[in-house]
This record gives sequence, C-alpha cells and structure tokens, in this order.
Amino acid sequence: AQKVTQAQTEISVVEKEDVTLDCVYETRDTTYYLFWYKQPPSGELVFLIRRNSFDEQNEISGRYSWNFQKSTSSFNFTITASQVVDSAVYFCALSEDTGGFKTIFGAGTRLFVKA
Amino acid sequence: DGGITQSPKYLFRKEGQNVTLSCEQNLNHDAMYWYRQDPGQGLRLIYYSQIVNDFQKGDIAEGYSVSREKKESFPLTVTSAQKNPTAFYLCASGTSFYEQYFGPGTRLTVT
Repeated sequence: AQKVTQAQTEISVVEKEDVTLDCVYETRDTTYYLFWYKQPPSGELVFLIRRNSFDEQNEISGRYSWNFQKSTSSFNFTITASQVVDSAVYFCALSEDTGGFKTIFGAGTRLFVKA
Repeated sequence: DGGITQSPKYLFRKEGQNVTLSCEQNLNHDAMYWYRQDPGQGLRLIYYSQIVNDFQKGDIAEGYSVSREKKESFPLTVTSAQKNPTAFYLCASGTSFYEQYFGPGTRLTVT
C-alpha cells in the first residue's frame, strides 16, 4: 500500500536559517511520482516540484532544493536562507503509475519563519 | 488566464440542505479531484475523475456526489447525509504526470 509520512508536524525557524522538511514514502510500484506542494495561509495549494522514480537527480530552484533517495525512500525539501514568506504548510505526495491518477498526501509540515 | 476557479469562496448552509460547490478549469486537463481539509489536517480525497462521464470514489465519498458532464467542470454536491460537512473543500485538475493544480477552495459552514 502507498503511504507518505511527514514526521515533522511543525517547525519554527528564524529568518535566514536553513530548514529541511522530511518526507518518507512507501510504495510497491517501480514507477511512481513524488511531489511537494505549498499551502500558504490563503489556503490554495501550489505545486512546487514533481520527481519520477527513475530520476534521482537532486534539484535546485532558487532557495529551494530537493533530495530524492530511493535507498531510504525519502524525498526531502530544503529551504535555504528562509524568509517570512516561506511560512506555510508543506505537503509531500505520492502517485503510483498503477494508481489511476490517485495521489496520496502526507499530513503536512507547518513551517513558521520568524523575522 | 489559465487556472481553476471555485465558487463561492465562503458558503453557509443550514443542516439538512444539500449544497453544490462549483469547480471549473480551463487548463485542458483530463483529471479532476475533490479534497476535503479539516483544520490542522491534511487532504482527504473525496472523488476523482480521469475522464468525462467517469469518476471514482476516494477515501471519504460517503455523503457526497459528483458529476463530470464536461471536461471543464466537476461540481461536488454535499448532501444532507454527510454527517460533518463543515470543512474546507479544494478542487484540483491534474496532468497525465499526476501533478495537480488547485483552486482557491470553498469554506463550507453548516449550522
């Protein structure tokens, strides 16, 4: 069965600190997709990144970076030099190729960035 | 502008009434989804549709119904059978690579 675990419920940092959000997943499929979404206080989820199971290259986008490791079934998200605008709930998610468009979301990690 | 629209943003209903939440997309995506989010919680899948005239139950479909008569539209009806309908409802559309694009959500309050 597919499962996504975000063990960190809340994280609080001071502006300019680096912060890593953890995501561990479980799947039996060999082809699957991992995602990160951001939910700011307004409520609308924003798609950040998709990674497929055959591509373990790490990705960097500005202050955001993602570390995908199949050996540990993890897909961690790091924000470098955090800013107050990064305060949000972040969700990790998993879709299996055999899942028929169904996506499983983790419980989310609430990030507070203090000025 | 391409995107997902949900209306209304806030909705108030009396207990026992059915209510329909609107979701429209102009991204030309085949898949559409409805999620429910309770305060401080993650997303729970209510229904999803991969193609017009077809939809599947998610994890918490009881008390809800949907239709998919057009590619652009996926309305959700919260029926009086739903025991705890007060929640934040999010609609999304999705690509063939499963990434989803969300609407702004509808906050439903039933008293």
